[in-house]
Amino acid sequence: DQQVKQNSPSLSVQEGRISILNCDYTNSMFDYFLWYKKYPAEGPTFLISISSIKDKNEDGRFTVFLNKSAKHLSLHIVPSQPGDSAVYFCAARYGGATNKLIFGTGTLLAVQP
Amino acid sequence: KAGVTQTPRYLIKTRGQQVTLSCSPISGHRSVSWYQQTPGQGLQFLFEYFSETQRNKGNFPGRFSGRQFSNSRSEMNVSTLELGDSALYLCASSKGRDRVSTEAFFGQGTRLTVV
Repeated sequence: DQQVKQNSPSLSVQEGRISILNCDYTNSMFDYFLWYKKYPAEGPTFLISISSIKDKNEDGRFTVFLNKSAKHLSLHIVPSQPGDSAVYFCAARYGGATNKLIFGTGTLLAVQP
Repeated sequence: KAGVTQTPRYLIKTRGQQVTLSCSPISGHRSVSWYQQTPGQGLQFLFEYFSETQRNKGNFPGRFSGRQFSNSRSEMNVSTLELGDSALYLCASSKGRDRVSTEAFFGQGTRLTVV
């Protein structure tokens, strides 16, 4: 049972445009959501997180939006740069005394120069 | 500030052997989690340690075990290796304290190949 889903395996965007990566979840017990960027054979790099009590969090070019009623979150990257090309994972954390993360399957972002 | 350090980076083992992987978290971080990444299953949670105690465990067989030391360094062990254990093993470090942290930082991973 995939509790965190990224339905788009890949996304291609022109440099300078906006990249929008989407993530859906099924478990309403998740209290935090995180986005990671990953290159092959390397560990994920933390990008940005959002609490379930907020609907938006912004950090530089990265903004995460959370729609709790739809159980949907998205990561916006503006403007997109070729260096942003990587696999992006969304992850959800259960409430309570744990840092256990449930990851989505990832979206490969390709930013074309 | 040093990041999360995992050793070794690469490992080749034979079926039936056992292996120990090591993780040194970010200084001051007390929570260490382990994940397995495979092409077919994605990133799967193995277990989490906090203050030397296992706080949570994923759905993996008992061949997978771990521990955490008083300096927060952690090791994971896989016994009786199978071909399907070939994967990238990732360690994540979080502040933890008495409440959970909002961020988890990953190491570079250990690429284990079982032949």
